[in-house]
Amino acid sequence: NAGVTQTPKFRVLKTGQSMTLLCAQDMNHEYMYWYRQDPGMGLRLIHYSVGEGTTAKGEVPDGYNVSRLKKQNFLLGLESAAPSQTSVYFCASSRERLYEQYFGPGTRLTVT
Amino acid sequence: QQPVQSPQAVILREGEDAVINCSSSKALYSVHWYRQKHGEAPVFLMILLKGGEQKGHDKISASFNEKKQQSSLYLTASQLSYSGTYFCGTEGGGYSTLTFGKGTMLLVSP
Repeated sequence: NAGVTQTPKFRVLKTGQSMTLLCAQDMNHEYMYWYRQDPGMGLRLIHYSVGEGTTAKGEVPDGYNVSRLKKQNFLLGLESAAPSQTSVYFCASSRERLYEQYFGPGTRLTVT
Repeated sequence: QQPVQSPQAVILREGEDAVINCSSSKALYSVHWYRQKHGEAPVFLMILLKGGEQKGHDKISASFNEKKQQSSLYLTASQLSYSGTYFCGTEGGGYSTLTFGKGTMLLVSP
């Protein structure tokens, strides 16, 4: 089992460009999450999904969109990147709400 | 609201003990603990549920005081592998999601 995978691992964008981060899990988990991690801030939830075809806003959703067309995939989109979106992005999945979350290796995004 | 973790950082010698605290201003249903090593993804340690149920790591212990809205993680006889940043995540039940604290950095030296 690969667990949770994320692509790409690194990306540099110019302000105003768009991109999509892909998260995939092979554990048949219902719940999937996108977090961002900034120095000294901990993990902050961007968007999450409780099942295929569902999405919901987290703590810091502005500037991001998500889609979960297939149960195993959760996509995070940035329509017009800003320097404030420079961060490390982690995807996670869990079997149910109060079960452990499995995290992907992260994507380091720099917006110049 | 983000839970508050204390201390922000702690340095130990191998074999020493440490306690990491997590405090919330809101009523809690569960507290989750994760450890993250530098440059890696967070890894699950344990979940403590209202009512006393715990799920997780056999070698790590923790407490959850529901009335005080606090949790503590106990690291005894620390090993070099315990080094990393520890995060607590709290949630209040219903359909709520986890809110993580800012983390406690733990360094265990030989």
